[in-house]
Amino acid sequence: QVQLQESGPGLVKPSETLSLSCSVSGGSLSDYYWSWIRQPPAKGLEWIGDIYDSGSTIYNPSLQSRVTISLDTSKNHFSLRLRSVTAADTAMYYCARNNGGYFDFWGQGSLATVSS
Amino acid sequence: QSVLTQPPSVSGAPGQRVTISCTGSSSNIGAAYDVNWYKQLPGTAPKLLIFGNSNRPSGVPDRFSGSKSGTSASLAITGLQAEDEADYFCQSFDSRLSGSIFGGGTKLTVL
Repeated sequence: QVQLQESGPGLVKPSETLSLSCSVSGGSLSDYYWSWIRQPPAKGLEWIGDIYDSGSTIYNPSLQSRVTISLDTSKNHFSLRLRSVTAADTAMYYCARNNGGYFDFWGQGSLATVSS
Repeated sequence: QSVLTQPPSVSGAPGQRVTISCTGSSSNIGAAYDVNWYKQLPGTAPKLLIFGNSNRPSGVPDRFSGSKSGTSASLAITGLQAEDEADYFCQSFDSRLSGSIFGGGTKLTVL
């Protein structure tokens, strides 16, 4: 059974960079897309971007200028960096496995609050 | 504003049948991209409920079913139970975005 676990600081200052990591266990990163999805408090889900095991990425155009997703296959984890954050970036951030278009395994989520 | 449109809320009594709609456009559902559904209980991560329009992952009861027609999709829940009370999200792929899109979510209340 594949398991994902997010980690990262819960509090980020405005204009700084939010960095999160997702550790994958019970399976390798090979042959799948790996995704970041966020959910602001009491709101819906927003896809942030995907990374394939080759390292190729695709991002939500609304965030593309500020986001970087990277992969470390040796450590079986992938990461999210979101630059120049504002209060609007406060959300629960989930990592998930994208199995050909649907997200079949999710992490429990990591709450990131943007505040000075 | 989400690319996929869902009703904000639906409700039903125990044992009844409810449906949740998900309306898209020609660049996503109407372009033959699959629709997937997720169930989210308060304070927890979403859980895959239906994939590929109408397929249930192992462990999901057959009370849950999905369908798709044209630019819309639906999730049906029969024999409603108290444990079905949750938020439900549809998801697909959009060719203009070149990425995944979600509906705004529907809160199901079991009366």
